[in-house]
Amino acid sequence: GAVVSQHPSWVICKSGTSVKIECRSLDFQATTMFWYRQFPKQSLMLMATSNEGSKATYEQGVEKDKFLINHASLTLSTLTVTSAHPEDSSFYICSAPRLAGGPTHSHRTQYFGPGTRLTVL
Amino acid sequence: DQQVKQNSPSLSVQEGRISILNCDYTNSMFDYFLWYKKYPAEGPTFLISISSIKDKNEDGRFTVFLNKSAKHLSLHIVPSQPGDSAVYFCAAGGSQGNLIFGKGTKLSVKP
Repeated sequence: GAVVSQHPSWVICKSGTSVKIECRSLDFQATTMFWYRQFPKQSLMLMATSNEGSKATYEQGVEKDKFLINHASLTLSTLTVTSAHPEDSSFYICSAPRLAGGPTHSHRTQYFGPGTRLTVL
Repeated sequence: DQQVKQNSPSLSVQEGRISILNCDYTNSMFDYFLWYKKYPAEGPTFLISISSIKDKNEDGRFTVFLNKSAKHLSLHIVPSQPGDSAVYFCAAGGSQGNLIFGKGTKLSVKP
């Protein structure tokens, strides 16, 4: 089955430093990947859409200069949290879409990475 | 305004019985729907999906029903097992590829 990996799985950093999170599709290519953020006991919130070969598309309210996204290849997208602050502490999850379904119809599904727990001290 | 709603934050079911998780949506342009299962501090795991041209999709113990006129879908798990205890997210997708998630329903299956 489709697998999406993330690295690191958890990271603790000091306030003001930058943290890079990698998202890889392991057995399929993804021209688009998505980055989500989840606060405790809340749903997944889409932050941005990462596009291979072009700029990322950010959701309203997400600072693009703070959350830098680079879709370096068809299997790799990175999210860099710049000048991290304690309020950036959260669970960050990426996903990659892939066609699923049977011979009579197909549709997109998304496969998620295991997530990255970021704690900013 | 929430486009995808899961109105029950939690559900408790006895092992062996049926679990029914509900989801409502407002945007008739969604063309596929998915259910994900999520444990704490892990990424969501894809369970089952359904295209808007279908009204039912079944995979083992999991069945998803779609009622387009009511803009409602449900996930049935039967028989429920203790290992099914998790948070279940309903999600809807459109032509742009991104997903809109509900807030989740925490399912507890008791032995």
